[in-house]
Amino acid sequence: GAGVSQSPSNKVTEKGKDVELRCDPISGHTALYWYRQRLGQGLEFLIYFQGNSAPDKSGLPSDRFSAERTGESVSTLTIQRTQQEDSAVYLCASSSHAGGGSLGYTFGSGTRLTVV
Amino acid sequence: DQQVKQNSPSLSVQEGRISILNCDYTNSMFDYFLWYKKYPAEGPTFLISISSIKDKNEDGRFTVFLNKSAKHLSLHIVPSQPGDSAVYFCAASALLSGYSTLTFGKGTMLLVSP
Repeated sequence: GAGVSQSPSNKVTEKGKDVELRCDPISGHTALYWYRQRLGQGLEFLIYFQGNSAPDKSGLPSDRFSAERTGESVSTLTIQRTQQEDSAVYLCASSSHAGGGSLGYTFGSGTRLTVV
Repeated sequence: DQQVKQNSPSLSVQEGRISILNCDYTNSMFDYFLWYKKYPAEGPTFLISISSIKDKNEDGRFTVFLNKSAKHLSLHIVPSQPGDSAVYFCAASALLSGYSTLTFGKGTMLLVSP
């Protein structure tokens, strides 16, 4: 597709349930990033994929969070046993590392997760 | 520990005037800086960037200034337009270290009134 696509756009879940968030990057983009933005906060780095490998998982806040990427394409961020503090907008970005001013980063519109 | 700081949560400016958004960083490894603009319910979109080998980069109404010794950068928008009203994020990367992940500030909400 033309841009980074994320689904669902909104998700309301009960505390304790598991959720899966999906990201479809721009075709051919080798790098993929997950960030989240909690209310009143900046964008917080979660995990970085290069191809299907994740060389940097340092931002994942707890072992309830995991992510995978397959086919150097789609990525899924899974949050197990959701807590209210997980409520945030989860943003995915992909990059071609082709250079240029933006470093090739393109963000999706995000998934707004609300844990009730 | 916040490595990229935007100390003004909001800024109000009249149409036609200059908007100045500020950003400070603490990590001396950062060598590439970007500004993103974000509208509600949309992802951030790239605005302008600057490498640490420069002190100024200009693109139309947008200019970014970098003061390496002060670890400070600013975004100037002249003239400001109502359509510029959005949240602006400062971001930094350590490219020369091969680290392309961006570290973001908390953002500054700019409101440009007619």
